[in-house]
Amino acid sequence: AQSVSQHNHHVILSEAASLELGCNYSYGGTVNLFWYVQYPGQHLQLLLKYFSGDPLVKGIKGFEAEFIKSKFSFNLRKPSVQWSDTAEYFCAVKNPATSGTYKYIFGTGTRLKVLA
Amino acid sequence: DGGITQSPKYLFRKEGQNVTLSCEQNLNHDAMYWYRQDPGQGLRLIYYSQIVNDFQKGDIAEGYSVSREKKESFPLTVTSAQKNPTAFYLCASSMAAGGSGELFFGEGSRLTVL
Repeated sequence: AQSVSQHNHHVILSEAASLELGCNYSYGGTVNLFWYVQYPGQHLQLLLKYFSGDPLVKGIKGFEAEFIKSKFSFNLRKPSVQWSDTAEYFCAVKNPATSGTYKYIFGTGTRLKVLA
Repeated sequence: DGGITQSPKYLFRKEGQNVTLSCEQNLNHDAMYWYRQDPGQGLRLIYYSQIVNDFQKGDIAEGYSVSREKKESFPLTVTSAQKNPTAFYLCASSMAAGGSGELFFGEGSRLTVL
């Protein structure tokens, strides 16, 4: 079955530290990849997405992610985190499913806490 | 404003009762999805629908049912057969089945079974 793995379940950083969250997916075909963020008490929102072209994708709030096809990875990075980045982060992949349908498969999430 | 509206936000139910969660979108999106979010388990797909009058089971469909009679509406029924229904339920939509479009999410419905 298709799956998405996020190996870091909880991450604690101090402000200004650099961030890298890992994401690996299992599907071998053409994929669309996403990172979503869920701030405390808020709904999920898109940080960035990759669908083709430049494998280095820039998103909102200074986040970026790199698609490495050979490693089936789409890691999220930010050079310098802020206290306001405290949230849960989800990696997702959009795959073709049955009969022309598409599914979005999510990882288990990474809870990031940034200490002021 | 365009978006996805889920209701109710909080719901309490006694064991053995069915409950229906509402999801309405005014984004003119073709595809709609229901996920369940549990701590440490991420989002798991319950059901999805790419067009009206058609839907598919996701990874954890047992104990749930859906309908898609209108493009803008995709209600989820949590039946008494769902063994562990207490959870946070998220509805989402995307522009079209194919393409690179992302999911847009509602604010969620938290169901507690007493």
